[in-house]
Formats: sequence, structure tokens, C-alpha cells
Amino acid sequence: QVQLVQSGVEVEKPGASVKVSCKFSSNTFSTFGVSWVRQAPGQGLEWMGWISGDNGRTKYAQKFQGRVTLSTDTSTTTGYMELRSLRSDDTAVYYCAREYCDRNSCFGGDYWGQGTLVTVSS
Amino acid sequence: QSVLTQPPSVSAASGQKVTISCSGSSSNIGKNFVSWYQHLPGTAPKLLSYENTKRPSEIPDRFSGSKSGTSATLGITGLQTGDEADYYCGTWDSSLSTYVFGTGTKVTVL
Repeated sequence: QVQLVQSGVEVEKPGASVKVSCKFSSNTFSTFGVSWVRQAPGQGLEWMGWISGDNGRTKYAQKFQGRVTLSTDTSTTTGYMELRSLRSDDTAVYYCAREYCDRNSCFGGDYWGQGTLVTVSS
Repeated sequence: QSVLTQPPSVSAASGQKVTISCSGSSSNIGKNFVSWYQHLPGTAPKLLSYENTKRPSEIPDRFSGSKSGTSATLGITGLQTGDEADYYCGTWDSSLSTYVFGTGTKVTVL
């Protein structure tokens, strides 16, 4: 059974950074990778990017390029998403998902974490 | 603003059928696989359909995905109160080099 367990609620001030973790329970970490998707209040799902669990190759949505860094720790099969220069409109629930991507495209998450609420407020 | 357009809401009586459309373009649905997700805000999204028509083993056959040209459709038969949720289509956009989700559709069981 594949399970993804995310870190807890975060409250940050504007301009700060946040780092959310996503722990894989299965040994498919290196075969797939981790993507990050967020949902702001009242909004839809928004894909932020993906990182390979094998070689650290990344794909970022242009909107977040330069402000988000995805990383992994293969020894603990954990993925991380760091978002910098936080603004109030970054307030959202952030989800990780197991996702397969090849060199040309990604195929969507199949197993998802429970979500992490990040609130940005002064 | 999403590049994939879905109706904001659909509804039907318990036991009936609904279909949810997802309209895209040649750079996304037209050339890449489509997935469908069920989502209750604040909970983990659930994959219902992938590679246009396939279904994870744990998903009942009441849910079915299809694709034609630059549009995709999710059908739900035998509607149940537990099906009330938001539904999203998703696919890769080759022009944007980004995975994109549809605008989302809220399903209500009357």
C-alpha cells in the first residue's frame, strides 16, 4: 500500500520561506517521483512542479520558477517543497503526489498526501 | 486561468447518470493522456481514471473516462450521495511544459 504522509500546518509571515515534507511509505520512490499541487481557498488545483526520486531531475511550472525548490532525501524516501518570498496569496493547502514523468511530459499523480495547510499572514 | 474548461456544476438524482466535460486544445488534451480526480477540499484527491480510459483497481466501474480530439469526458452512473465532490480533469500541456488541471466541476446529488 502506497502512503504519502506530509508535515503539519505552517503559519508564516509575508517574505518568509516554508518547507513542507512528504514521506513515501513504499519502495516505488525511485521509480516515480514527487509532484506538488496546491489549492488556494475557493480555487482549483494548481500543479507546481515535479522531482524525480531517482536522479533529482526537476520540472517546474513557469509561475513558480525561481521561487520554489523541490528536493529529495532518498535515504528516507522523502520529498521536500520549499517556497520562498511568501505572499498572502500563497495561503493554500499544499499536496504532494506520486507521479511519473518522462523527458517530455508528466502523467498526473496517482497517490496523494493528506495535504498541508500553509497560511501566510502578518 | 486554466487552459482546461469544465462546467462549474452538474447534478442528478440518486441512481442517475452525470457526465462532466473537459475542453482543451491540441497542445494538451489533443496530444497527451487525460486523468480524472475526485476531490473533497482539505482531503487527498483520488485518482478515478488515467490514460484517458483506464481505471485504478479500487475504483468501481460506475466511473468511466473517455477522450475524443481535444475534449475528454468523465461519466458517473448509479449516482450516490458519497459521489458529491469536486471533480477535476488533468493532462500535460506541451506548450506550457506544465501539468494542467481543469477548472473543476461540483457534483450534487439531488
